[in-house]
Amino acid sequence: NAGVTQTPKFRVLKTGQSMTLLCAQDMNHEYMYWYRQDPGMGLRLIHYSVGEGTTAKGEVPDGYNVSRLKKQNFLLGLESAAPSQTSVYFCASSYGQGYGYTFGSGTRLTVV
Amino acid sequence: GENVEQHPSTLSVQEGDSAVIKCTYSDSASNYFPWYKQELGKRPQLIIDIRSNVGEKKDQRIAVTLNKTAKHFSLHITETQPEDSAVYFCAASILGTGKLIFGQGTTLQVKP
Repeated sequence: NAGVTQTPKFRVLKTGQSMTLLCAQDMNHEYMYWYRQDPGMGLRLIHYSVGEGTTAKGEVPDGYNVSRLKKQNFLLGLESAAPSQTSVYFCASSYGQGYGYTFGSGTRLTVV
Repeated sequence: GENVEQHPSTLSVQEGDSAVIKCTYSDSASNYFPWYKQELGKRPQLIIDIRSNVGEKKDQRIAVTLNKTAKHFSLHITETQPEDSAVYFCAASILGTGKLIFGQGTTLQVKP
């Protein structure tokens, strides 16, 4: 079992460019999440999904879009990157309510 | 909105001493409270969790206590070791969503 796999691990974007972060899990988890981590601000939820074909907004959704076309994959898109989106992005998955998360290894994104 | 406050933001102890990290949550319907440890450059990993029908849970040197009336919960680490040095995050579930709201994190330094 690979658990939760994120690609890429590092990326540098220019302002205005777009990109997609991929999260894949092999644990048959229903729920998947995208968080961003910034110094002193903990982990903030961007978007999440409670099942294939469903998505919902978290605390900081602006500037991001997501898709969950397959149960095992959860994609995070940045349509027009801004320097404020420089962060470490973590994907996570869980069985559902009342269960802990398994996190991916993170993607360090820098927008210049 | 839902909020989790975590204190202290930094904690330095001597090896062998105990460490206590405290969190307060705002949503009285929260019923699941996990703790995560994040080593430098690594992903957060679940170390212990507690549900609202339990007041205390222990796993070797780690224990968590929950006071639902006061809406706070705490992580206790006894006999600290240098390898306990990391950032620790508390979290509280949001009923009906599968979401976790995280505290801001505590950087624990254990001095040899």
